[in-house]
Formats: sequence, structure tokens, C-alpha cells
Amino acid sequence: NAGVTQTPKFRILKIGQSMTLQCTQDMNHNYMYWYRQDPGMGLKLIYYSVGAGITDKGEVPNGYNVSRSTTEDFPLRLELAAPSQTSVYFCASSYSGQGRGSNQPQHFGDGTRLSIL
Amino acid sequence: GENVEQHPSTLSVQEGDSAVIKCTYSDSASNYFPWYKQELGKGPQLIIDIRSNVGEKKDQRIAVTLNKTAKHFSLHITETQPEDSAVYFCAASSRDDKIIFGKGTRLHILP
Repeated sequence: NAGVTQTPKFRILKIGQSMTLQCTQDMNHNYMYWYRQDPGMGLKLIYYSVGAGITDKGEVPNGYNVSRSTTEDFPLRLELAAPSQTSVYFCASSYSGQGRGSNQPQHFGDGTRLSIL
Repeated sequence: GENVEQHPSTLSVQEGDSAVIKCTYSDSASNYFPWYKQELGKGPQLIIDIRSNVGEKKDQRIAVTLNKTAKHFSLHITETQPEDSAVYFCAASSRDDKIIFGKGTRLHILP
């Protein structure tokens, strides 16, 4: 199993450009999450999904969009990149079973380091 | 909403000594408390977790304690080794399908 795979690992964007951060998991997990990690600030939830076709906003969704057309993939889209979006982005997944996804361990990818200049 | 406070932000301990990291949470409905370790350039990895029906859990050199009344939980690492150097995050489940993370503790193991 590859687990959670994120691409690209690094990217530099100019202000106003757009890009999609890719995330795929091969564990058949129903829950998927996108976080951003800023220095000294821990992990902040951007968007999450409880299953294919269902997405919901997290703590810091402004400037981002997501889609979940399949169980495996959960891409994150930046439409008009701004310097404030310079961060490390992590995708994670978990399997809820009969309960809630928030009550299960999350499996993280190794992140995408994004700089916007 | 749920808020998780984590202390200290930085911790240095001598190799072989114990390290303790403490967290508090605000939502009495929280019932799942995982701890993650993040090494440089990597994503966080689960090292231990505890559920609200248990007061303590141990896995080799790592233990976690939970005090539901006081709404705090702690990570204990005994006989620390150089490979324990990393950033550690506590987290607590919220009632709306999310996990709320603390801001992290950077642990340095001194030779």
C-alpha cells in the first residue's frame, strides 16, 4: 500500500496563478481532509469530505476549492494564489467504520510545500 | 467550537530522561485523543491514541493519560532516545467530524 500520496512535493507560484494540489489514497478510506501548516501554528483544517460527492468547509476555506468525485482522490484547488497561501499543505484520510471519522486515526501524506511570490 | 491548548511549545531533555507534553481541550463531547509525531519533511504519524472510556494507555516507552473531569491529557515518553527528536501534536475529536490539533511541541533530545 502506498497510503496517502500527494503531488507535487514542491511548487512556486506567482500571485494570481492557479493550481491544483493532488491527493490520492489507496486504503479505501471514506474520510479525507486537507490541512495547512504554518510555522508554529499547528494544523488548520481547510476542507474535508466524508465520502465521494460530499465536501464541507473547515476552519480556513477561503481561497480554496475541493471536489470528491471518487473515494480515492481529493484534489485541492487554488484559483487566485495570494502570498498568504504560502504554506505546507497536508492531505489525510481515515476510515470511519460504523462511527465517526473524527474518532479514528488519520493517515497523512508527506505534504506539498507551496510558495507564492 | 473545540479548542486544544498544548504546552510547552519547545522542550529539551537529556537523552535517557523522560519528557512530558500536556494538552487541554474545551469540548466535553470530545471522546478521541490521538498524538502525532512529525519528523522533518514528513507528514504527521500517529504514535498513540486514547478514548474517553480509558484513563491511561501505554505502548513500550510511550504512555498517554486522560483526565476527563479536568479536560486534559498528557503524553509521557520515558528513556528518551535521539530518534524521539521531532514535533509532537496532540488532538481532540469534535462533535462535527473534525479533529482539532494543538499547536505542537518541538522536542529536542540532548546527547
